[in-house]
Amino acid sequence: GAGVSQTPSNKVTEKGKYVELRCDPISGHTALYWYRQSLGQGPEFLIYFQGTGAADDSGLPNDRFFAVRPEGSVSTLKIQRTERGDSAVYLCASSLRSGDLYEQYFGPGTRLTVT
Amino acid sequence: GIQVEQSPPDLILQEGANSTLRCNFSDSVNNLQWFHQNPWGQLINLFYIPSGTKQNGRLSATTVATERYSLLYISSSQTTDSGVYFCARREANSGYALNFGKGTSLLVTP
Repeated sequence: GAGVSQTPSNKVTEKGKYVELRCDPISGHTALYWYRQSLGQGPEFLIYFQGTGAADDSGLPNDRFFAVRPEGSVSTLKIQRTERGDSAVYLCASSLRSGDLYEQYFGPGTRLTVT
Repeated sequence: GIQVEQSPPDLILQEGANSTLRCNFSDSVNNLQWFHQNPWGQLINLFYIPSGTKQNGRLSATTVATERYSLLYISSSQTTDSGVYFCARREANSGYALNFGKGTSLLVTP
């Protein structure tokens, strides 16, 4: 079946602009995660949804970052007043349920470049 | 938070060689996954292995939870095995988010 999809694959924006990154999880997966990966590092957790609600947003770096999942499927990560330090690959993952028994599956990522 | 350390950080192999990648973690594990990040950036699931041993073709993995480490074995390596290998385990105090190591960068040469 279809995997996790993310759009756009690449996004170039100017400092100070607003961006939205979209994630479409595997059909039927109730848990959805956002991560950010900088060059040479492993992915770092941003926020996790169980259904429509953000169960844990402790990884969001500041209040410029916000994410929604209004219908419990597609999620959008929103970044306001972008800064050059926000440049990274943003990865989305989903799992059938939340919990230790369930693997997370990752999308191809969105490469964000802030100029 | 829980530390995940991977070794070696970099590895160069000739095609056909075998290798062992290691992942150490600082606390008990309930959920551990191994991933391969290919040169295009896609994270591919290799193993979900909180304990025990699993094999899939030329790859196998072993996790010894009581000693807080996991090993990934690659046999008869191929150039398509090149990329970065990550282990990740659940961060106990962050819902079910995964905490990743820094990865092992593998290059397999013809």
